[in-house]
Amino acid sequence: DIQMTQSPSTLSASVGDRVSMTCRASQSISSWLAWYQQKPGKAPNLLIYKASSLQSGVPSRFSGSGSGTEFTLTISSLQPDDFATYYCQQYSNYYTFGQGTKLEIK
Amino acid sequence: QVQLVESGGGVVQPGRSLRLSCAVSGFTFNHYGMHWVRQAPGKGLEWVAVISYDGGNKYYADSVRGRFTISRDNSKNTLYLEMSSLRAEDTAVYYCAKGTSGNYYLHYFDYWGQGTLVTVSS
Repeated sequence: DIQMTQSPSTLSASVGDRVSMTCRASQSISSWLAWYQQKPGKAPNLLIYKASSLQSGVPSRFSGSGSGTEFTLTISSLQPDDFATYYCQQYSNYYTFGQGTKLEIK
Repeated sequence: QVQLVESGGGVVQPGRSLRLSCAVSGFTFNHYGMHWVRQAPGKGLEWVAVISYDGGNKYYADSVRGRFTISRDNSKNTLYLEMSSLRAEDTAVYYCAKGTSGNYYLHYFDYWGQGTLVTVSS
């Protein structure tokens, strides 16, 4: 099974900041990686697929990069609506999620 | 627009069974693989099962294999999850999610339902 590890577990930042979070796979998954945003009590929302492709309707301040085993989600200028939990998901070999990164207001 | 609506959750005793449903609209259901994903209270997301567009291929997480059965009725645009021998650790919000092709592999999840809560407790 492929394990996904996200870091940090919690990230404190302010509106306007540029932030990045990391997702590491236990083996190469090529670019078969997605990122989701989840707010309390809500279903996850797809942000990025195939490591760097922006889902339709998602603001351009979100971007993804990486391949193989290391991936990054970057938010270029934090907005109040962006404070949430972010999950990565590999879909190279069945499906596995990371444990999440909670983005909180500093 | 695309809608996925889960139902069937509730409180159930350990060892008992429960069936979840997911009614979909807004896309051609029989063209896409479908998934169940769960989230225990205060925890992260866990993939549970996938079914191909025609029901011919089904795969499960190790934690539920042999106890849960995924199925679909394409004439009713509905996805199901039959859960048996339920355990306390199966307590979670269960989401149905749309895959991005007709097979069972290489999917990300572009649409999700709102979830239905299953509580396993005596």
